[in-house]
Amino acid sequence: EAQVTQNPRYLITVTGKKLTVTCSQNMNHEYMSWYRQDPGLGLRQIYYSMNVEVTDKGDVPEGYKVSRKEKRNFPLILESPSPNQTSLYFCASSLRGELYNEQFFGPGTRLTVL
Amino acid sequence: KQEVTQIPAALSVPEGENLVLNCSFTDSAIYNLQWFRQDPGKGLTSLLLIQSSQREQTSGRLNASLDKSSGRSTLYIAASQPGDSATYLCAVNTNAGKSTFGDGTTLTVKP
Repeated sequence: EAQVTQNPRYLITVTGKKLTVTCSQNMNHEYMSWYRQDPGLGLRQIYYSMNVEVTDKGDVPEGYKVSRKEKRNFPLILESPSPNQTSLYFCASSLRGELYNEQFFGPGTRLTVL
Repeated sequence: KQEVTQIPAALSVPEGENLVLNCSFTDSAIYNLQWFRQDPGKGLTSLLLIQSSQREQTSGRLNASLDKSSGRSTLYIAASQPGDSATYLCAVNTNAGKSTFGDGTTLTVKP
């Protein structure tokens, strides 16, 4: 089944404890992206990657890191999480041709930082 | 910086009505525009994708149009059903990979 998977789905952690949220897609998509969704602020792009070894900042990159060593994986790293990073996180992927470039989203990761 | 606005923020209609959701954006240099549906506490489900060169796309009871020059897209839902109740989001994407979402329209369809 073609899908975007995220792990973990739920995470409660404490301030300063490094964590990684994994994202994997099995559709051979070039493009991958991370978003956070907060009440009243909507969905905001954190980082995106047009292809392997190519990453760019979105609108809210502060406090996050990403890497794209393989086409299928795009982990989101929080080196020192803070309570303001409590949010619902989504990973997405798509092709980058002229057609068939709709974004497919993962199920989301709900993160709470105490 | 691209800004995306969705109007109305919330909409409540009786079952069977046809309705229109609006999405406007400030920068017309877009790659494509995508409409999503999100149910409470769930992820995003893609509904329709319109490339910048297209004017509209249709899928079942849904029809999305795009007027790039005026910075507007509409999502038309025909013969609404209670199962259509959800939040509808539009996302504007650039060729460079940036994505900007609107805040969504929360639709309630009453039986």
